[in-house]
Amino acid sequence: EVQLLESGGGLVQPGGSLRLSCAASGFTFSSYAVGWIRQAPGKGPEWVSSISASGDTPYHADSVKGRFTISRDNSKNTLYLQMNSLRAEDTAVYYCAKTEGASPAWSYYSYWGQGTLVTVSS
Amino acid sequence: QSALTQPASVSGSPGQSVTISCAGTSSDVGAYNFVSWYRQHPGKAPKLMIYDVSNRPSGVSNRFSGSKSGNTASLTISGLQAEDEADYYCGSYTGTDSPVVFGGGTKLTVL
Repeated sequence: EVQLLESGGGLVQPGGSLRLSCAASGFTFSSYAVGWIRQAPGKGPEWVSSISASGDTPYHADSVKGRFTISRDNSKNTLYLQMNSLRAEDTAVYYCAKTEGASPAWSYYSYWGQGTLVTVSS
Repeated sequence: QSALTQPASVSGSPGQSVTISCAGTSSDVGAYNFVSWYRQHPGKAPKLMIYDVSNRPSGVSNRFSGSKSGNTASLTISGLQAEDEADYYCGSYTGTDSPVVFGGGTKLTVL
């Protein structure tokens, strides 16, 4: 059974940093691209970042480019999202999600974790 | 990349069929046969219901079907059941290095 378990969310002040983690199990983690998708309260999902199966190709949304960095450790079956210079508009539930291919440009996400809430507020 | 456009809400009675639309552009929905649909119950993670316009993942009921015409995709749910009451989101491939765009969501109410 595919499982994705996010952690690392919380309350942070504007300009602060957080590092999200996602522990994956139930599939061969190193064979699939994975990504982060966020959902602000009452809004639709917003794709944030994705990374290739090998970890050598990251993609980031324009809204987070230069502030967020996606990475993965295939030896630990873990996905990360380093978030710096956080803004109020980054407040959302952040989901870790799995694709069905190796490319970070995959068109859909087949499994989603339960999410971790990030709140940016003073 | 702008979000895809969905109706805010739809409703239907048990046993009926409903269709949810998802309007994009010639750069996303209209350009690729890579539209997906997700169901989200309150407080839960989204679940993939349809991928590549009309394909169902293993375990998803055949009451769910997808289609596309031009720049608009549709999700049809037949034989409505109480458990279908949820928010539904569409997604589309964009062909850019921001590869996926989602819709704003449609709340389905089963009367």
